[in-house]
Amino acid sequence: AQSVTQLGSHVSVSEGALVLLRCNYSSSVPPYLFWYVQYPNQGLQLLLKYTTGATLVKGINGFEAEFKKSETSFHLTKPSAHMSDAAEYFCAVSDRNTGAGSYQLTFGKGTKLSVIP
Amino acid sequence: NAGVTQTPKFQVLKTGQSMTLQCAQDMNHNSMYWYRQDPGMGLRLIYYSASEGTTDKGEVPNGYNVSRLNKREFSLRLESAAPSQTSVYFCASSGRGGGEKLFFGSGTQLSVL
Repeated sequence: AQSVTQLGSHVSVSEGALVLLRCNYSSSVPPYLFWYVQYPNQGLQLLLKYTTGATLVKGINGFEAEFKKSETSFHLTKPSAHMSDAAEYFCAVSDRNTGAGSYQLTFGKGTKLSVIP
Repeated sequence: NAGVTQTPKFQVLKTGQSMTLQCAQDMNHNSMYWYRQDPGMGLRLIYYSASEGTTDKGEVPNGYNVSRLNKREFSLRLESAAPSQTSVYFCASSGRGGGEKLFFGSGTQLSVL
């Protein structure tokens, strides 16, 4: 079964500083990789995903993530934090096969990002 | 653009009561999902329906049943609610599995006393 580890349940950054949220997965075959964001009292929305091709993926709101197979990582970054980035961020993975595993998105436990003015 | 609509938004139950959470999507998606979210646990898949007419267990199916009523609707039923089922429940849909983006509803906050 897939597993996802997000390092740090809470991360605080100053406005304008670099945002780095870490995600590692455990799978011998690289899975599909996702980052979702959840604003207070809302459902999740997709920031970006990696399925194939270029390993640096750009998403919405200036976020990007790089798939590193050798490190089994998919860390999320943003060069300059904005107050509106304060939210909870979830890394998620699913299998690449076409069977049941491809429907079972496994989420990390989430990282709550605070942005300090 | 309604997207994924869940009802109700809030519900309080007593232990042993039953209820059904409703979910509907208007994006003509084949696949639908029910997740629960608990603090510090992320989201965990309860059940999913890869296509109309099929349902399968996810990671935490015990105590729940589901019905894929038609392509649009996917309901989650708690037959005898327990305090351990206090959680926020999210319905989601996607075109299919395998790397597709999930569209989430706004959630149902359920408390079981």
